[in-house]
Amino acid sequence: AQTVTQSQPEMSVQEAETVTLSCTYDTSESNYYLFWYKQPPSRQMILVIRQEAYKQQNATENRFSVNFQKAAKSFSLKISDSQLGDTAMYFCALVRWDNDMRFGAGTRLTVKP
Amino acid sequence: DAGVIQSPRHEVTEMGQEVTLRCKPISGHNSLFWYRQTMMRGLELLIYFNNNVPIDDSGMPEDRFSAKMPNASFSTLKIQPSEPRDSAVYFCASSLTGDRVGYTFGSGTRLTVV
Repeated sequence: AQTVTQSQPEMSVQEAETVTLSCTYDTSESNYYLFWYKQPPSRQMILVIRQEAYKQQNATENRFSVNFQKAAKSFSLKISDSQLGDTAMYFCALVRWDNDMRFGAGTRLTVKP
Repeated sequence: DAGVIQSPRHEVTEMGQEVTLRCKPISGHNSLFWYRQTMMRGLELLIYFNNNVPIDDSGMPEDRFSAKMPNASFSTLKIQPSEPRDSAVYFCASSLTGDRVGYTFGSGTRLTVV
């Protein structure tokens, strides 16, 4: 069985500051992918960043980066220079080899002006 | 590409009525997924198809729910009869098997059963 755990239901950060969202997971697979999705109030699910488990290098997409610790099964998201438009629910997700994606419960992030 | 298209965007129906949600995946994608999102349970995978064939429907809550994919460009999720506890946002997503760039989601259908 696969599980994805996000232990922070809500977080807030001041505009222009940095925030880190936590995610841990459990899987018996050796080949899998991890994702962070953003869901703004419009409810559209938007892919933020992805990480292949076989790559040791942490993925980066502009202001978004991850800290992937495979042995610890940890996959945190760091948002630098937070912007008001970053206010959203953030979901961590795991995809195993057969394309079955499982999501964490989400973290509601509020960026304050 | 227009992305994953879901219809309707909102649906309000009375308890006991049949509800049909529709999804058009991205052209060329061969995997299609139906998710349900609620405050209590988060995002739950209901069923997914690969090459139009249902692969795993273990997430379908009960026999009142059924899903079909008659061809590569169309899928439906039907609830009959609907109940107030079915109220949720239902998402459809598609992907290309083996291409691990993540799923593309539709805008979702907000279903309210009164």
